[in-house]
Amino acid sequence: DAKTTQPTSMDCAEGRAANLPCNHSTISGNEYVYWYRQIHSQGPQYIIHGLKNNETNEMASLIITEDRKSSTLILPHATLRDTAVYYCIVRVSGGYQKVTFGTGTKLQVIP
Amino acid sequence: DAGVIQSPRHEVTEMGQEVTLRCKPISGHNSLFWYRQTMMRGLELLIYFNNNVPIDDSGMPEDRFSAKMPNASFSTLKIQPSEPRDSAVYFCASTLHGYEQYFGPGTRLTVT
Repeated sequence: DAKTTQPTSMDCAEGRAANLPCNHSTISGNEYVYWYRQIHSQGPQYIIHGLKNNETNEMASLIITEDRKSSTLILPHATLRDTAVYYCIVRVSGGYQKVTFGTGTKLQVIP
Repeated sequence: DAGVIQSPRHEVTEMGQEVTLRCKPISGHNSLFWYRQTMMRGLELLIYFNNNVPIDDSGMPEDRFSAKMPNASFSTLKIQPSEPRDSAVYFCASTLHGYEQYFGPGTRLTVT
């Protein structure tokens, strides 16, 4: 699996968009970008994934650059409940591929 | 669906004792993963199963750890004998197509 680089921590004002960056310059053509988050004392939660097109679901949007070397997770209207550690992961999808978590970004949503 | 179920939620035991953690994956999912999380080492994959068969156990720290999946709806992670450095939160996760993994609430293990 390709290595990812994320900022250690970020702050975001409640109600504003939270933009979490991730660098994955060694990503391979068949590797997807995944985002998970972990709220304190809970298990990690899947958010979204994509290959090369931008993706959106009820939780977030994922913007992947054209060269696929970086991506941004966007929480459009952050709430206090979005305070969590966000993990960016790149891996081959499908089957029984394991997920390797890095250190992630600690997002603090401020009232 | 009830999601991934883990038991017990908390376990406190003395060094040298056997510990068994249990996991019930989401019905219909065919892959199951055991992770361990500590402040020092973060979230580590210990072992994962596909269709009840262990695929990769390279993350299991040592022979004191063992995992089984006797059927599609149940898995165990056993530590024998337990040591204080095994204290951690142990998560179980399952998936069907290998895209998103669904994690359980975890078991917080304390070995004194």
